[in-house]
Amino acid sequence: GESVGLHLPTLSVQEGDNSIINCAYSNSASDYFIWYKQESGKGPQFIIDIRSNMDKRQGQRVTVLLNKTVKHLSLQIAATQPGDSAVYFCAEANDYKLSFGAGTTVTVRA
Amino acid sequence: GAGVSQSPSNKVTEKGKDVELRCDPISGHTALYWYRQSLGQGLEFLIYFQGNSAPDKSGLPSDRFSAERTGGSVSTLTIQRTQQEDSAVYLCASSRTGWTNQPQHFGDGTRLSIL
Repeated sequence: GESVGLHLPTLSVQEGDNSIINCAYSNSASDYFIWYKQESGKGPQFIIDIRSNMDKRQGQRVTVLLNKTVKHLSLQIAATQPGDSAVYFCAEANDYKLSFGAGTTVTVRA
Repeated sequence: GAGVSQSPSNKVTEKGKDVELRCDPISGHTALYWYRQSLGQGLEFLIYFQGNSAPDKSGLPSDRFSAERTGGSVSTLTIQRTQQEDSAVYLCASSRTGWTNQPQHFGDGTRLSIL
């Protein structure tokens, strides 16, 4: 079946640098995308979402970019902090169902 | 609190026993979802409730799994005759409506271990 996947399972970033987490999706009919952050022992926490009629959306220190031509989604985190260390999941929505990739583990180096 | 609440947070049980997992969604949210997350994996959809509509049970892995939602609020996921492969984190989420473009908000899950 169609699924959402991430390019890299791990990412190590220096504190203060910008992080970019990538995600490829395969279902061209998906019209809504969400990024979640999951810390150890916690449930996924909503970070930011984007609809398919947009190509960029900004939040506090985060930006999501959507390229529908190549079915690619990315999450940019500005000035990465130790508290940003977590697993990041992208999810695509078809109607009410979310499909998740396996996640990218981000480790912030002091 | 204002978030999705799940109980118990941890459950250890013997193979063959039945377990019940509880989810209390965010107040006013009409849509409720159950997911399963195996170690180091993404989330696997199990079941979806929206208002008084018939639930979408298409993700339930076997007939040992069932769920109900009483009064449009609290939901219970039941696993009968548990097997070791049922060990996972069971996550519940809710959203304001069941329409697309609505973010799902998750609880912290129940960590189920089958001995």
